Amino acid sequence: KNEVEQSPQNLTAQEGEFITINCSYSVGISALHWLQQHPGGGIVSLFMLSSGKKKHGRLIATINIQEKHSSLHITASHPRDSAVYICAVFGAGGTSYGKLTFGQGTILTVHP
Amino acid sequence: ETGVTQSPTHLIKTRGQQVTLRCSSQSGHNTVSWYQQALGQGPQFIFQYYREEENGRGNFPPRFSGLQFPNYSSELNVNALELDDSALYLCASSQGPSSTDTQYFGPGTRLTVL
Repeated sequence: KNEVEQSPQNLTAQEGEFITINCSYSVGISALHWLQQHPGGGIVSLFMLSSGKKKHGRLIATINIQEKHSSLHITASHPRDSAVYICAVFGAGGTSYGKLTFGQGTILTVHP
Repeated sequence: ETGVTQSPTHLIKTRGQQVTLRCSSQSGHNTVSWYQQALGQGPQFIFQYYREEENGRGNFPPRFSGLQFPNYSSELNVNALELDDSALYLCASSQGPSSTDTQYFGPGTRLTVL
């Protein structure tokens, strides 16, 4: 079992829909990152969370440390949101200490 | 644009050869991390350099090695290339090695090993 699991792996939506991507992890963490990767490889950091909730424009990220779960929400989705969304955790101990461990990514396609 | 550049963009090598990939960090960033991303997978941590010293390593064999230079540039070297080394190699720079330091990713180098 991977230390970081994302769901769904693929997500198709119509423009304007509310989207949720989930991330569960099994290790102790000091921080969780949500990243966006466009075709061609470039990765952009969207959020860094260690507790609670953050909002940036139409994007909202939440984390529940006790349940080892985070969600990324996109309100009023748009075709330009189409990308791969990756959850990554910064380990707090054991073999994961001090390194980023990534989920497999969720491929989001938003149709006009 | 993150201010992090990588070269070359694409590279084709044959099995057994050696390769050097380069990364130029944002000015002032003393930490660089390298990742390998196989097709359809999330990135995997190779190693991190902080102030020119290795500061953590993932599950990669010793034939993966690195260097970080005072001018904010760094290198990833891979010896004795294997077919499974074909992947996108990403570097990311940050102001420090802390978990709360945002990592700024380069566009990646796509390596194909034949």
